[in-house]
Amino acid sequence: IAGITQAPTSQILAAGRRMTLRCTQDMRHNAMYWYRQDLGLGLRLIHYSNTAGTTGKGEVPDGYSVSRANTDDFPLTLASAVPSQTSVYFCASSVSISTDTQYFGPGTRLTVL
Amino acid sequence: AQTVTQSQPEMSVQEAETVTLSCTYDTSESDYYLFWYKQPPSRQMILVIRQEAYKQQNATENRFSVNFQKAAKSFSLKISDSQLGDAAMYFCAYKGGATNKLIFGTGTLLAVQP
Repeated sequence: IAGITQAPTSQILAAGRRMTLRCTQDMRHNAMYWYRQDLGLGLRLIHYSNTAGTTGKGEVPDGYSVSRANTDDFPLTLASAVPSQTSVYFCASSVSISTDTQYFGPGTRLTVL
Repeated sequence: AQTVTQSQPEMSVQEAETVTLSCTYDTSESDYYLFWYKQPPSRQMILVIRQEAYKQQNATENRFSVNFQKAAKSFSLKISDSQLGDAAMYFCAYKGGATNKLIFGTGTLLAVQP
């Protein structure tokens, strides 16, 4: 069982380009999340999904969009990347939105130049 | 709004010794969960220990234990018999019972000296 996988591991992107970060889990968890990690700020929630077909905004959603077509996949899209989106992005999942424990993927390091 | 504060940006401990990492939080909720996550240089976020607010007994996982002081809103992590592999960034996190997100502190970087 792989748990949560993320792709790519790292990426350098020119400003203005479109980018999709991929996240797949094989635990059949209903809830999934995207966080960004910035030095000195910890992790902050970007978007979440309670279950397939539903999504919601987190603390820092601007400039990002998500979709949840099925249980396993939760891609994060940057429509037009800006340098302030340089960060490490973590996908996480939990059994349900009310379940306490979230499990994290290995992260994607994104640099926007 | 809920907040999580880790006041120790960096800590150091000798191998085989004990170290305590501090965490305080602010909330008006009565139902919530608290966590410690470890992030080694590999970047992976690893759950170390969790505590339900309604439980008075402090959680323990092998060499890791917490001191949960609900009235003081304090949630410290004690690592006993520290090992070189314990060197990492440690994050304290809060989740309200009715919310859908983890609120993280800014982390404490733990160094383990041989």
